[in-house]
Amino acid sequence: SQQGEEDPQALSIQEGENATMNCSYKTSINNLQWYRQNSGRGLVHLILIRSNEREKHSGRLRVTLDTSKKSSSLLITASRAADTASYFCATDSSYKLIFGSGTRLLVRP
Amino acid sequence: GAGVSQSPSNKVTEKGKDVELRCDPISGHTALYWYRQRLGQGLEFLIYFQGNSAPDKSGLPSDRFSAERTGESVSTLTIQRTQQEDSAVYLCASSPPSIYEQYFGPGTRLTVT
Repeated sequence: SQQGEEDPQALSIQEGENATMNCSYKTSINNLQWYRQNSGRGLVHLILIRSNEREKHSGRLRVTLDTSKKSSSLLITASRAADTASYFCATDSSYKLIFGSGTRLLVRP
Repeated sequence: GAGVSQSPSNKVTEKGKDVELRCDPISGHTALYWYRQRLGQGLEFLIYFQGNSAPDKSGLPSDRFSAERTGESVSTLTIQRTQQEDSAVYLCASSPPSIYEQYFGPGTRLTVT
């Protein structure tokens, strides 16, 4: 069964707008990661937030984590057409990553 | 440096045939993972290697699936007597010791006709 569930399943925005994706999970975690996937192939790691952190930034990315609600959000600011991809959250306990079903983001030029 | 590589990139096979998928992890990465991704879905964990031992095979969907790893390098995922429901992208990832981030290969797209 999936640990993380992303919301929305699909998101379409105009270039320059911000995109927010949410992830909920069920069990306790050590950390939560966000990955990006282009064209259904390899995933690229974007950012990792530890369970004792509440917010983290990396370039145009901002991730929040609320362990009391078992949820995380990924914000992409000033989106670009090149941000079009699927975004997955992944939670881990020990070594295994458990992925959600992803949010498909379309950024229209 | 070189990333995780997988071969073949695409494989079309007939139902009932065996297939072998290969993964070359990043040098020095002790951990190696196999995942399966069906169309439009998330990743399903299949198996995890630490070195050449597989402490977790819990994700292998049936006894038709097996995997091996040579030392801390190449891994092969074998699917015997393929079925149409095996059609998916098979992704391999590796990670260094004590690092949570996983580095993914480009995947092998398997189509069983």
